[in-house]
Amino acid sequence: KAGVTQTPRYLIKTRGQQVTLSCSPISGHRSVSWYQQTPGQGLQFLFEYFSETQRNKGNFPGRFSGRQFSNSRSEMNVSTLELGDSALYLCASSLFGSGANRAYNEQFFGPGTRLTVL
Amino acid sequence: EDQVTQSPEALRLQEGESSSLNCSYTVSGLRGLFWYRQDPGKGPEFLFTLYSAGEEKEKERLKATLTKKESFLHITAPKPEDSATYLCAVSTGFQKLVFGTGTRLLVSP
Repeated sequence: KAGVTQTPRYLIKTRGQQVTLSCSPISGHRSVSWYQQTPGQGLQFLFEYFSETQRNKGNFPGRFSGRQFSNSRSEMNVSTLELGDSALYLCASSLFGSGANRAYNEQFFGPGTRLTVL
Repeated sequence: EDQVTQSPEALRLQEGESSSLNCSYTVSGLRGLFWYRQDPGKGPEFLFTLYSAGEEKEKERLKATLTKKESFLHITAPKPEDSATYLCAVSTGFQKLVFGTGTRLLVSP
């Protein structure tokens, strides 16, 4: 079974530009979460989507946005890039759903997109 | 505010020297505690999920345990390939994970 895939793997942008990152979840997984990882702050939650709806959002400015498509694939967008946005952006997918199967909560991460803002 | 604290920040072991990593947490409503392993330049790799105090899970040389306030990741007779950063996270709902800053483990031959 293929894992979570993220594209592109590496990006270099300049301040003020915008960027779109893509995530394809594990087949059958309906929930997609996004995280930002930096050496100073560690892994921080950005937002989570389920059935094309954003259910939860972290403490990031409105420049960070996302969406999910009907096939569960997700994109996140960062507008007006700042130097501090340089980070590893990670996507995670999980089954999530109703029922007693706790395995639904397990999140599996992709390899990440390394964004460098110059 | 939900918080996760991991200790030590870094740990150096000799091959075969067993030890434990600690993850203490403060959350309003725990829906799961997760352990991940992360190698440099890669995404976190899922290891375990624990849901209730007293629960234990094992995988090869790793064993995770959970109490009401903390979790331990025990590493028995580690090998150099166990070298990585080990991350602990808690879930409080809707797939939002709050992560600790991790423990960097280095196992020397």
